[in-house]
Amino acid sequence: AAGVIQSPRHLIKEKRETATLKCYPIPRHDTVYWYQQGPGQDPQFLISFYEKMQSDKGSIPDRFSAQQFSDYHSELNMSSLELGDSALYFCASSLGQGWSKDTQYFGPGTRLTVL
Amino acid sequence: KQEVTQIPAALSVPEGENLVLNCSFTDSAIYNLQWFRQDPGKGLTSLLLIQSSQREQTSGRLNASLDKSSGRSTLYIAASQPGDSATYLCAVISSNTGKLIFGQGTTLQVKP
Repeated sequence: AAGVIQSPRHLIKEKRETATLKCYPIPRHDTVYWYQQGPGQDPQFLISFYEKMQSDKGSIPDRFSAQQFSDYHSELNMSSLELGDSALYFCASSLGQGWSKDTQYFGPGTRLTVL
Repeated sequence: KQEVTQIPAALSVPEGENLVLNCSFTDSAIYNLQWFRQDPGKGLTSLLLIQSSQREQTSGRLNASLDKSSGRSTLYIAASQPGDSATYLCAVISSNTGKLIFGQGTTLQVKP
């Protein structure tokens, strides 16, 4: 069965650079979630999209932006990178939102290292 | 604001033991609760999903219970094996947008 695809899997950037993370949800899934997991931390919700519209926003810095495209894939754009942005970034997809009671399926994550 | 707490933070047991991981949440108005497994530096694997109307779910040696009114869930692992060593995360959905609120996890080590 197809799973959530994230690219790249690993990314190394310098401070103040820009990074773009991509997420391809499971086919027919219309909802995408982004989470950030710092070293030794639990995943923190960043932002979500349902049917290509932003549906919820968490503790996402203003330096970050995201969108969901017509084919339902999503991109997380991170600018002016800081050392503290080094983390594992997960994307998850589901069919419908919380009201649908569907499981969220997680991708393998993108490990971002900011030097 | 929903907060999720997991106890204990770490657990070490000999192989073959049955064990219980605990999860508590402050707001009982949830849609569902999920238990995940995470190996070091790896992604999240969903183990069990309990809808708010359900009391428990079982998968193999795993059994998860939910007491929504008291804001508690437990993950029971029977006959633990070294391959069960990982971090176990509990997460709830209490928003209709579906965002997950995670606990800090319990890191389990099963010794041969």
